[in-house]
Amino acid sequence: DAKTTQPNSMESNEEEPVHLPCNHSTISGTDYIHWYRQLPSQGPEYVIHGLTSNVNNRMASLAIAEDRKSSTLILHRATLRDAAVYYCILRDVRGGSNYKLTFGKGTLLTVNP
Amino acid sequence: GAVVSQHPSRVICKSGTSVKIECRSLDFQATTMFWYRQFPKQSLMLMATSNEGSKATYEQGVEKDKFLINHASLTLSTLTVTSAHPEDSSFYICSAPEGLSNQPQHFGDGTRLSIL
Repeated sequence: DAKTTQPNSMESNEEEPVHLPCNHSTISGTDYIHWYRQLPSQGPEYVIHGLTSNVNNRMASLAIAEDRKSSTLILHRATLRDAAVYYCILRDVRGGSNYKLTFGKGTLLTVNP
Repeated sequence: GAVVSQHPSRVICKSGTSVKIECRSLDFQATTMFWYRQFPKQSLMLMATSNEGSKATYEQGVEKDKFLINHASLTLSTLTVTSAHPEDSSFYICSAPEGLSNQPQHFGDGTRLSIL
């Protein structure tokens, strides 16, 4: 799977929006952009995914650059419960039954009260 | 929504003990499940892919005789850490995909294994 680059850490204040960037300059046309997050001492949790168009769900929004070489996960109003490590992962849809995800280091998001 | 249940959540045992961890998909069938290991302050590392009705596929460097995987049904995969030693202490996490490869994976809450 193509590689992604994320900042090691980011900090936000409660109730404010958070924009988490991800660079994926070697993305291929069949790569979906997935975001997961991991709260302390828990397994990862799916957040959102997309291919080309921006996506919204109850948890977050995903903004994908026109050239698809970068994307941004947007938390509209950060809460203390959003403090976690956020992983941006590319997943080739041609993978078939082999759905494995390759986790990088992710971004540690700290939310200040 | 789809849920993956992992049990036990925590195990503390003596060196030399074998430990079995269960991973169940509660409301969907999973022909494939994945087992990850995570050391403190590190990211998840894939250990193996569990395939229902066939042998597991192990990542490079993972000893298949040490980490036994059984996927006997469409909703259950087990990981057995055989003759565990302190260096096997880690956070073990399973996951299962729901449907096609562009759909989310669902993760268990992990098993904290501590070998004394």
